[in-house]
Parts: sequence; structure tokens; C-alpha cells
Amino acid sequence: QLQLQESGPGLVKPSETLSLSCTVSGGSISSSSYYWGWIRQPPGKGLEWIGNIYYSGSTYYNPSLQSRVTISVDTSKNQFSLKLSSVTATDTAVYYCARHVRFFGSGSYPVFDYWGQGTLVTVSS
Amino acid sequence: DIQMTQSPSSLSASVGDRVTITCRASQIISSYLNWYQQKPGKAPKLLIYATSSLQSGVPSRFSGSGSGTDFTLTISSLQPEDFATYYCQQSYSTPYTFGQGTKLEIK
Repeated sequence: QLQLQESGPGLVKPSETLSLSCTVSGGSISSSSYYWGWIRQPPGKGLEWIGNIYYSGSTYYNPSLQSRVTISVDTSKNQFSLKLSSVTATDTAVYYCARHVRFFGSGSYPVFDYWGQGTLVTVSS
Repeated sequence: DIQMTQSPSSLSASVGDRVTITCRASQIISSYLNWYQQKPGKAPKLLIYATSSLQSGVPSRFSGSGSGTDFTLTISSLQPEDFATYYCQQSYSTPYTFGQGTKLEIK
């Protein structure tokens, strides 16, 4: 059974860089079938997609965050990571990592099918 | 960005009720519409993809329909474990966007 687990500091100071990792177990991050993504959810609010990465290192980001976001992959550790720079209180959220896969039917349909449990990151001095 | 709007934002219903949640996209997204269920303190769970395809293991009381810009999630007979928040998400184009959520509560 595939599992994803987020890890990283739960408290980050304003203007600093938020850094999280997602460890994948029960499957290989190097599979050609999948992308890997980050999604966040401010307390009591909805979901926001941050960006995705392929095992080769190819990335695509949400333009609203692109100037501050870097997602990277370490295939030797079966991990991928998120860095978000210059954080403010509005970046306080539960951060989820997830697997992004295309399901095939009458077309090719991208979905987030496996999610980590999420980790709360609070931005505060 | 494609805006996703769900209605209602909250809904009270009883066990055994039939419930419908609506999601509208700000532009045509063909059938690229997914539904997720989220319970408090938990990660979202994929229920339906490609508008109407049930994810493996999801009970058949869940169904989805629609195309273009208007979509619905229907639960045919509510069970106690179905009380949760439901999100639609478009996967037609990036940035992938979600609706604001519909909280389904026990009446």
C-alpha cells in the first residue's frame, strides 16, 4: 500500500523559508506513471494546489506562488520536497503531499489519488 | 485560472436522505472534474474522477454527472460516515483549482 508522509518544522518565522519533505513508501517515486504534488489548506478554508514534480525533476507550479516556490526530488531517498520563500502569516496552512496520476477512460484524467496525512505549518514570530 | 463554485456551502441532511451537491466551472472543462471527500483532521479522499467514474473502493451510493461547466455529486442514501466536507476540482488545465467546499452535516 502506497504511503506518503510529510515532515518538517511546524513553525516558521515571517520572511523565512518554509521547507517540507514528503517520503514515499510502498512504491517508487521513479515510476514513469506518476507526478508528485503539494497542496495546502489554510485553517478552516479550502484547498490550493501548489505544484507538481516528475521523478526526472520536471516541475510545474501554480502561477500565484511560482516566484516563491521550489519543488525538488531525491530519487535515492524516495522523497520530494517543497520550499516556499518569504513566508507570511497567509502561508499558515496544512500542507499535503500527494501522488498525481492520469486515469484513463474516454480520455486521460489527472487526479490526486494518494495523499499524506498533512502537516500544519504556522508562520509566526 | 478556472474558478470552481460549489453550492450549497453547507447542507443539513438525515441518514437515508438523497443529497445533491453542485459544482460550476467558470469555463468549459469537458469532463475533467473530480470529487473529494474530507473528514475533520484528515486528508482529502478521491471519490469520483472524470465526472462520473467511481474510484476503487468507493460505495456505489456515490455518483457524479455533468459536462461542460455544470456538475453534480449525488449521494443516494446518506450513511453516518458520509458526513464530511466535499470538494470538486478541475483537472482540465493548470493551475488545478478546487471549489470552496460543501460541508454536509447531520440534521
